[in-house]
Amino acid sequence: EAGVAQSPRYKIIEKRQSVAFWCNPISGHATLYWYQQILGQGPKLLIQFQNNGVVDDSQLPKDRFSAERLKGVDSTLKIQPAKLEDSAVYLCASSLGIGELFFGEGSRLTVL
Amino acid sequence: DQQVKQNSPSLSVQEGRISILNCDYTNSMFDYFLWYKKYPAEGPTFLISISSIKDKNEDGRFTVFLNKSAKHLSLHIVPSQPGDSAVYFCAATSSVGGADGLTFGKGTHLIIQP
Repeated sequence: EAGVAQSPRYKIIEKRQSVAFWCNPISGHATLYWYQQILGQGPKLLIQFQNNGVVDDSQLPKDRFSAERLKGVDSTLKIQPAKLEDSAVYLCASSLGIGELFFGEGSRLTVL
Repeated sequence: DQQVKQNSPSLSVQEGRISILNCDYTNSMFDYFLWYKKYPAEGPTFLISISSIKDKNEDGRFTVFLNKSAKHLSLHIVPSQPGDSAVYFCAATSSVGGADGLTFGKGTHLIIQP
């Protein structure tokens, strides 16, 4: 069974530029999550989708972050404009329901 | 305000001994708890979980204990092996409502000494 796929693995941009991350969850997983992990911290939930609907985006900085899951399968997370404090690993995860989340390898963003 | 706390940033244990990782939580709505293991440059992988209706769950070398009155859980690894060296995250969620995204602690870096 293929795992959660994420791309790109690494991205370096300058502040005020934009960046987009892509995630393809495990086939059949209705729930998709985006997490932000800053160095030395635990993952922090940004947004949760159930199929193509948003369940929770209370911690998403909506002035600069956006995410979509138009067809209820893959998803993109965009940051525009990026700030220095956005440097982090962006983790995508999927699940069948409450409980175990399956994470991708993450996309590491460096903002200079 | 951290709702899930792992107060030990790192822990060093000798191979073959028991590793005990601790976690505290503050949100009374949490009723499902998980431990994840993370190697460098990889995503976290699920290790073991426990529901609030239980006080212990065991899977091979890994046992999780839950003390609801103290809002405390611990992960025991016996015996510890070199491959157990990783960062361990405690996570919690509530089964009430549809927003069941996990809340994570900051992690504990476990180092198994040969």
